[in-house]
Amino acid sequence: QVQLVQYGAEVRKPGASVKVSCKASGYTFTNSAMHWVRQAPGQRLEWMGWINAGNGNTKYSQKFQGRVTITRDTSASTAYMELSSLRSEDTAVYYCARDPGYWGQGTLVTVSS
Amino acid sequence: DIVMTQSPDSLAVSLGERATINCKSSQSVLYSSNNKKYLAWYQQRPGQPPKLFIYWASTRESGVPDRFSASGSGTDFTLTISSLQAEDVAVYYCQQYYTTPWTFGQGTKVEIK
Repeated sequence: QVQLVQYGAEVRKPGASVKVSCKASGYTFTNSAMHWVRQAPGQRLEWMGWINAGNGNTKYSQKFQGRVTITRDTSASTAYMELSSLRSEDTAVYYCARDPGYWGQGTLVTVSS
Repeated sequence: DIVMTQSPDSLAVSLGERATINCKSSQSVLYSSNNKKYLAWYQQRPGQPPKLFIYWASTRESGVPDRFSASGSGTDFTLTISSLQAEDVAVYYCQQYYTTPWTFGQGTKVEIK
């Protein structure tokens, strides 16, 4: 069955970067896209961008353009989302989602000095 | 971007009673070439990722109880819980996946009265 595995939590200081991983299994990784969605405490879900896992093409939300980079490693069936210049407002749970039906468990990123 | 607006923000319903959540999109999410509405509903419990309940605006995901139903036009959608159970307490989100950026409603918190 389709699984998207994300690991626990990260803590970063303001100005730093974080790279979150999402390991896929149960389907052909390169046949699908991978989206990244975040949820700040008490806030609605917010789409950040996506990658075509086959050809590596990406599209980012204008809000995060210039700060977010989504990549993939096809040999490891893993997608990555890197967010730079972190600020306290970036404290959130970051989810990967293959499509509406399949989501990872989320990675909590806390930005605090 | 397509703006998704849910109403109400919260809802308290007695056990066994009906709960209705509305979602409005700022533009149509009906794709005319396949006549599908790219609208999903999710249930989210605290500390959990969103769980897909409904896709194509009215198709129940496998395993979702049949007390959940959904309908809608190109811009106005409704999720109904016909007989509220204790395990239905959660936040419900609508989402359009017609285009990127995916956008989500602000969520509706369903509680027991």
